[in-house]
Amino acid sequence: AQSVTQPDIHITVSEGASLELRCNYSYGATPYLFWYVQSPGQGLQLLLKYFSGDTLVQGIKGFEAEFKRSQSSFNLRKPSVHWSDAAEYFCAVARRGGKLIFGQGTELSVKP
Amino acid sequence: EAGVAQSPRYKIIEKRQSVAFWCNPISGHATLYWYQQILGQGPKLLIQFQNNGVVDDSQLPKDRFSAERLKGVDSTLKIQPAKLEDSAVYLCASSPTSGRDHNEQFFGPGTRLTVL
Repeated sequence: AQSVTQPDIHITVSEGASLELRCNYSYGATPYLFWYVQSPGQGLQLLLKYFSGDTLVQGIKGFEAEFKRSQSSFNLRKPSVHWSDAAEYFCAVARRGGKLIFGQGTELSVKP
Repeated sequence: EAGVAQSPRYKIIEKRQSVAFWCNPISGHATLYWYQQILGQGPKLLIQFQNNGVVDDSQLPKDRFSAERLKGVDSTLKIQPAKLEDSAVYLCASSPTSGRDHNEQFFGPGTRLTVL
């Protein structure tokens, strides 16, 4: 069965520090992978996606993610966190044209 | 380009009452999804439409939940009767079936339902 695991429920980083959010997936074929961000009371906004090709994907707001097939991982990174990045982050996997299967999310807090 | 619209944004009802949510997808998007997001969890798919046909409703509690997309555009999700465990945010998403974004889902702001 397809599944996504985000091992960290809550992470706190200082403003200006680097960030890495972990995501591991279980999927029978090469998946389509996504990272979404959700601010309080808001819907989900796509940060970046991986379908094929270059395994290092650039997204919006300075985020990037790297697909590692051998580790079944798709970790999200940002070199310098801003206070406005505080939100909930969701990793998701899907097959082409199909439903998204989400992880449970990682809540990011940013210390001034 | 207008995004996915949902209404109402908030709804409070008592258990055993009924409730309906409305979604208008991005113009031209053939695929529409309804997700349920319980507090502290990631969203889970309830139902997926392609135009006005159902693609996947395997996780929809059909004894109380129903959804329709009669003209292949906007959609309604209904709960009747509601239970306490239905308290959640209901998210609507849409995606095109071709073009550069055909595997990307665009989400609306959601409807937060509280069942008392």
